[in-house]
Formats: sequence, C-alpha cells, structure tokens
Amino acid sequence: KNEVEQSPQNLTAQEGEFITINCSYSVGISALHWLQQHPGGGIVSLFMLSSGKKKHGRLIATINIQEKHSSLHITASHPRDSAVYICAAQSGGGADGLTFGKGTHLIIQP
Amino acid sequence: DVKVTQSSRYLVKRTGEKVFLECVQDMDHENMFWYRQDPGLGLRLIYFSYDVKMKEKGDIPEGYSVSREKKERFSLILESASTNQTSMYLCASSLTPHGRYTFGSGTRLTVV
Repeated sequence: KNEVEQSPQNLTAQEGEFITINCSYSVGISALHWLQQHPGGGIVSLFMLSSGKKKHGRLIATINIQEKHSSLHITASHPRDSAVYICAAQSGGGADGLTFGKGTHLIIQP
Repeated sequence: DVKVTQSSRYLVKRTGEKVFLECVQDMDHENMFWYRQDPGLGLRLIYFSYDVKMKEKGDIPEGYSVSREKKERFSLILESASTNQTSMYLCASSLTPHGRYTFGSGTRLTVV
C-alpha cells in the first residue's frame, strides 16, 4: 500500500509570499492529485498530474516520477488561499480510490 | 460542472441507531466512493462502487455497509451507530477509475 507523506503539516506565511507544499509517496502511481479543503469541509480538486508540470492561475503543481515527489506552489499568496491542501496518490490498479496525505494547513496573513 | 450532493451537512444520532448517509451525483459517473476524515488521520476509504449494485470494501469497512441501486446514488449505512463513528463523511465520484474526483461538501456526523 502506498504511503503518502506531506510537509509541512502547518504553514503560516505573509500575504504575497511564495508557498511550497511537498508530497512524497512510496510506490509508483498512475496519477497524483492535489486537493483543497476550506473550513466547512468541501474538497475541490486542483490538479491531477502524472508527469511534468501543470499551472492554473497562481497555482503550479509539479511531479518527479523518478523521485516519487510532487510539489504544489502558490505564487503571490493571498489570505483567500488559506485552506488545507491535500495530496493523494492514485495507484495503477483498479477503481479503489486514492491514498491521501494528512494535509498541510496553510494560513496566509494579511 | 459535476455536482455531488450529500443530503445532510450536520447530523446528530444516538448510539445504536441505524444511520443513512445519502450521496447523489448528476453526471453519470461510474465510480463512487465514501471516505471518512478524522484529525491526524486524513481521509480513509470506507467503501467504493464502480457500477450499479457493485460494491467493494475499502480500508475501514467495519461497522458500515453501502447500497447502490441506481447509478447516481450511493448510500452509506451505519448499521448500529457508535461514538467512534463520529466523523466527517465525504462522498466522491469519478467518471473513470483513474480520472479526476469530484467531492461532496461532507456530512459531519456526531454520535452521542
């Protein structure tokens, strides 16, 4: 079973700072998901990637398959980016769901 | 956009009650999942289904069952609720086994 580790667990930064959240996994995967969860519980899918890099607005996700590592970057961070960011590994087998990291609690202070 | 709707945001039930959590998706997704989320443990898979009337156990199925009579609806059943089932429950769906997931907004269940 895949082990998914995220770092840091908690991160507090000032508005405008460049943010990096890291995710590593132990077993080869078919895809890596980055999710965002705001207070109240709802989860939004930010990225699904299996190689290289994806960008959406101020968010960038990268993955290094050989090193079994992915990063989520936020440029020009804003207080509305405050949320829990979760990475999740999708194994190459059947439809048995994702293995989740424990999440990174990000707070952006004005 | 695909929408996944969970019937209740907050629920309080008594120990021993039978509890039904409903999840409905509106975009003909084949795959549906139930997770629970607890502080320090992250999301853990309870059950999933890849077709109507099909169900598979996830990592923590004990004390739960599921029903998928129609493609759009996936129900989680707590046969006899216990206090250790107090948690946030999240439903998700995906079109393909390796596709992007859409999550519901969650049901925070408290068992007293």
